[in-house]
Amino acid sequence: GNSVTQMEGPVTLSEEAFLTINCTYTATGYPSLFWYVQYPGEGLQLLLKATKADDKGSNKGFEATYRKETTSFHLEKGSVQVSDSAVYFCALGGTYKYIFGTGTRLKVLA
Amino acid sequence: NAGVTQTPKFQVLKTGQSMTLQCAQDMNHEYMSWYRQDPGMGLRLIHYSVGAGITDQGEVPNGYNVSRSTTEDFPLRLLSAAPSQTSVYFCASSYRQGARTEAFFGQGTRLTVV
Repeated sequence: GNSVTQMEGPVTLSEEAFLTINCTYTATGYPSLFWYVQYPGEGLQLLLKATKADDKGSNKGFEATYRKETTSFHLEKGSVQVSDSAVYFCALGGTYKYIFGTGTRLKVLA
Repeated sequence: NAGVTQTPKFQVLKTGQSMTLQCAQDMNHEYMSWYRQDPGMGLRLIHYSVGAGITDQGEVPNGYNVSRSTTEDFPLRLLSAAPSQTSVYFCASSYRQGARTEAFFGQGTRLTVV
């Protein structure tokens, strides 16, 4: 079946450091891929998405490219801020069934 | 813009009690779903609905019931709460237009069963 594997956290970085959170997937067909972010005490917000191979999603300085050949959708940001501290979820699918990774907690230190 | 509204935000139940978690969306989305979030396990799908009057089971449906009488509402019922149901519950609504799709989440309900 479909699945998402996400790197374990927590990830602790200094402000302005480069961020990579790895995400790989197993799927039949051509699912959409998503990154959601959860700030403390809040629900999930869509950060970015990609609907087909080679699409690059981007938002708020974050980027991820849908790589069909490596079945990956890694999240990157060139310079993180303290306000980026949150839990990040990679997800696969769409419509009504989304499959989530276990989440990666990011802590950014000033 | 209300989006997806969940109530209550916090709830403590005793083992064996019943309750209903409410979820409402105002975006006229066809699809709605319930997830539970547990540490180290991400979000797991409990039940989902593809339209009014149509529901189906997700990955972890045991102990939960749902119904969808209107497009807007999708309540989740715990008939006899158990400590294993202590979790954070998220309701989501979503749409699909060709290849475009997106899910919108409520703020969550933190449920503790003692």
